[in-house]
Amino acid sequence: NAGVMQNPRHLVRRRGQEARLRCSPMKGHSHVYWYRQLPEEGLKFMVYLQKENIIDESGMPKERFSAEFPKEGPSILRIQQVVRGDSAAYFCASSPTYTNYEQYFGPGTRLTVT
Amino acid sequence: QKEVEQNSGPLSVPEGAIASLNCTYSDRGSQSFFWYRQYSGKSPELIMSIYSNGDKEDGRFTAQLNKASQYVSLLIRDSQPSDSATYLCAVFDTGNQFYFGTGTSLTVIP
Repeated sequence: NAGVMQNPRHLVRRRGQEARLRCSPMKGHSHVYWYRQLPEEGLKFMVYLQKENIIDESGMPKERFSAEFPKEGPSILRIQQVVRGDSAAYFCASSPTYTNYEQYFGPGTRLTVT
Repeated sequence: QKEVEQNSGPLSVPEGAIASLNCTYSDRGSQSFFWYRQYSGKSPELIMSIYSNGDKEDGRFTAQLNKASQYVSLLIRDSQPSDSATYLCAVFDTGNQFYFGTGTSLTVIP
């Protein structure tokens, strides 16, 4: 049973470019969460999605950031016009149902903005 | 006040000793609690989940929950050098949000 998959594992973007991060949840999981982790800091919740629905985006910056989880395909976190402060590790986690809160994390995408 | 608080450490214990990691949370109505282990440069790995007051044991790990005092702890018995990592406490609160503590760094000295 494959775990949560994220790609790319490393992404380098110049300031002003767009970054697209992908996440495929574990088989049988329909809930996806995105987190950001800055160096030496804790995990910060960004957004919680189910298929075709954003359930909670209270942790997402209002501008430049968006997320989706289409009916087919992976969840995507999109960052437009990246700035150096966006450099971080972005983790995706999935859980099977809303009543089972155990989240399993993917390997993360390390975004570097130059 | 932070939702979830942990001592950042570092915590050092000799090999074979018991490591004790503590976490407090602010939302008294929280019902679900989790411990994750994160090695440097890696993603968090779920170790334990606990939902009821008392102890829950899994191998060398024991999670303890005291809802009245709003704390949850993790004990690691017979600590091994491979246990050296950052341990994250996570709480699912009444607002249906996950909050992670900033983690406690543990070093097990051979």
